Amino acid sequence: GEDVEQSLFLSVREGDSSVINCTYTDSSSTYLYWYKQEPGAGLQLLTYIFSNMDMKQDQRLTVLLNKKDKHLSLRIADTQTGDSAIYFCASGGGKLIFGQGTELSVKP
Amino acid sequence: GAGVSQTPSNKVTEKGKYVELRCDPISGHTALYWYRQSLGQGPEFLIYFQGTGAADDSGLPNDRFFAVRPEGSVSTLKIQRTERGDSAVYLCASSLSGSEETQYFGPGTRLLVL
Repeated sequence: GEDVEQSLFLSVREGDSSVINCTYTDSSSTYLYWYKQEPGAGLQLLTYIFSNMDMKQDQRLTVLLNKKDKHLSLRIADTQTGDSAIYFCASGGGKLIFGQGTELSVKP
Repeated sequence: GAGVSQTPSNKVTEKGKYVELRCDPISGHTALYWYRQSLGQGPEFLIYFQGTGAADDSGLPNDRFFAVRPEGSVSTLKIQRTERGDSAVYLCASSLSGSEETQYFGPGTRLLVL
């Protein structure tokens, strides 16, 4: 079946940039998504990118999509302690396929 | 308006019991989704409704799991003869019109089967 893979952990210092990477197998997805989950909470939609785009910027967030390699990344500029959470990449339409999540730890 | 709401927020039950989990989607959203998230994992798709009908129920793990959406708004996920392995967070999401539309998630129901 379709699959999404992410690295499990990332630790950065406050003020640095964070880059979270994701690979996916479903080449038919029209959109690819990034969700954020804080402890004990539901999923918050952060951003998404249309599959025919290479890049999308939204304030501190930059999404890069390499459709040939099926690689998606999320860059968070000027990372803050409030950005500490688990970040999920998801592909698909209707039925979303999620990665295992990347736990981002931001140290002051 | 309000986001997706789910009740109860927590449910503790005993092995073998029946449970119902409720989801109220965002008003006007015709598509509704159920996912299950086990500890340390990403959400896994269970079922997707477009209006009152199940458009895709390929993620339901077995026939103990059933979901309904009789009036095209509120949905109930029903689990019969619960097992300890059913313990997870059950997430509901809705989208404006389904398929490629962005999904907005509720806070989830944390189910613990003892």
